[in-house]
Amino acid sequence: AQSVTQPDIHITVSEGASLELRCNYSYGATPYLFWYVQSPGQGLQLLLKYFSGDTLVQGIKGFEAEFKRSQSSFNLRKPSVHWSDAAEYFCAVLAFDKVIFGPGTSLSVIP
Amino acid sequence: KAGVTQTPRYLIKTRGQQVTLSCSPISGHRSVSWYQQTPGQGLQFLFEYFSETQRNKGNFPGRFSGRQFSNSRSEMNVSTLELGDSALYLCASGTPGTGANEQYFGPGTRLTVT
Repeated sequence: AQSVTQPDIHITVSEGASLELRCNYSYGATPYLFWYVQSPGQGLQLLLKYFSGDTLVQGIKGFEAEFKRSQSSFNLRKPSVHWSDAAEYFCAVLAFDKVIFGPGTSLSVIP
Repeated sequence: KAGVTQTPRYLIKTRGQQVTLSCSPISGHRSVSWYQQTPGQGLQFLFEYFSETQRNKGNFPGRFSGRQFSNSRSEMNVSTLELGDSALYLCASGTPGTGANEQYFGPGTRLTVT
């Protein structure tokens, strides 16, 4: 069955530090992968997506993600975190026209 | 371009009642999907509509239903509400056709069942 796992439920980083959020997926075919961010009381905003081609994809707000087929991973990175990045982050895979979300990683940023 | 709008934003209902939530997609988008978000279960897919037809359905009981109108606006209905239906209901619109269904989410409707 298709699934998405995000091993880290909660991460705390200092402002200015680098960030990596992990995502692993299970899907038999070539995956379409997404990262979304949700601020408190808000809907989800698409950060970036991978469909094909270059395995390193750039997104909004300075985020990037790398697709590694051999590891079934699509980790999200940011070189320098800002306090406004504190939010919930969701990795997702498009499987048979359904978007399956991971459980989310909550990011806290220490000023 | 206006984003996805959902009404109402907040709703309080009593167990046993029914509720209807509304979603207006981004102009030009013909696909509307609905998700339920709870602290325990996370984000779960409810159903997707495209051109007034339900294309996909998640694993929810028949109390959850939806429809889409010719202008792509969508409604979802939950009958005989249970306490466990308390959740944030998110609507997303997109432009499928290539298989790359990039979805844009609305702010959600917060439903509380008492």
